[in-house]
Amino acid sequence: ILNVEQSPQSLHVQEGDSTNFTCSFPSSNFYALHWYRWETAKSPEALFVMTLNGDEKKKGRISATLNTKEGYSYLYIKGSQPEDSATYLCASLANAGGTSYGKLTFGQGTILTVHP
Amino acid sequence: NAGVTQTPKFQVLKTGQSMTLQCAQDMNHNSMYWYRQDPGMGLRLIYYSASEGTTDKGEVPNGYNVSRLNKREFSLRLESAAPSQTSVYFCASSYRDWGNYGYTFGSGTRLTVV
Repeated sequence: ILNVEQSPQSLHVQEGDSTNFTCSFPSSNFYALHWYRWETAKSPEALFVMTLNGDEKKKGRISATLNTKEGYSYLYIKGSQPEDSATYLCASLANAGGTSYGKLTFGQGTILTVHP
Repeated sequence: NAGVTQTPKFQVLKTGQSMTLQCAQDMNHNSMYWYRQDPGMGLRLIYYSASEGTTDKGEVPNGYNVSRLNKREFSLRLESAAPSQTSVYFCASSYRDWGNYGYTFGSGTRLTVV
C-alpha cells in the first residue's frame, strides 16, 4: 500500500494571501499524481493530473508542480479568495506490472480556509 | 449530463441488515470504483472494476461485495452490516487513461449502522 502524505493538515489564510501545500508519495513505480478539490457538501473534483517529472500545470490562480524522482508535488494558490476554501486532496497511482488499474491512493487532504 | 449518480444519499441500517448501494455513470467510462471516507482516514478503496466484466479488491474489501452489472453500473453490497461500516461511501468512474483523466465522483452515500 502506497503512503501518500499531505501537509499541512489545515491552513487558515487571509483573502489575498498566496499559499501552498505539499503532497509526498513513494517515487518507486510512479505512474501519475492527481489533485482534487473537495468543497463541503459536494464531491471531489479533479484539478490536475500529472505524470512527467518537472511538469507544471496551471488553472487560473492555482498551479501544481511535480517531482517524481524525490516523490513530491506542490499545489500553489495565488491571491486566495474565500471561494477557494475547500479540502485539497492529492492521490497517487503506482505502476503495477505495466498498468495501474487506476487505483488511486489518496492522502488525507489539506483543509484550506480563506478568511475575508 | 448526470455524471455519476449514487443512490441512496442517506441510509440507516441495523446491525446485521443488508443493503446495496447503487452507482451509475453516463460518461462511457471503463473503470469504476468504490471508496469509503472516514474521519482522519482519507478516502480508502474498497473495490474497483478496471473494465466491464472485471472486479477486484482494494484496500478495505472485508464485509463488502460488488457487481459490475454492465458498463454503466457498479453496485456495492453489504451482506451483514456492522457498526464499523458506518461511513460515507463514494462511487467514482474514469477513463482507462489515468495519466490524463481524473476520476468523476458521485455525491456520496452517508451510511449509519446502529
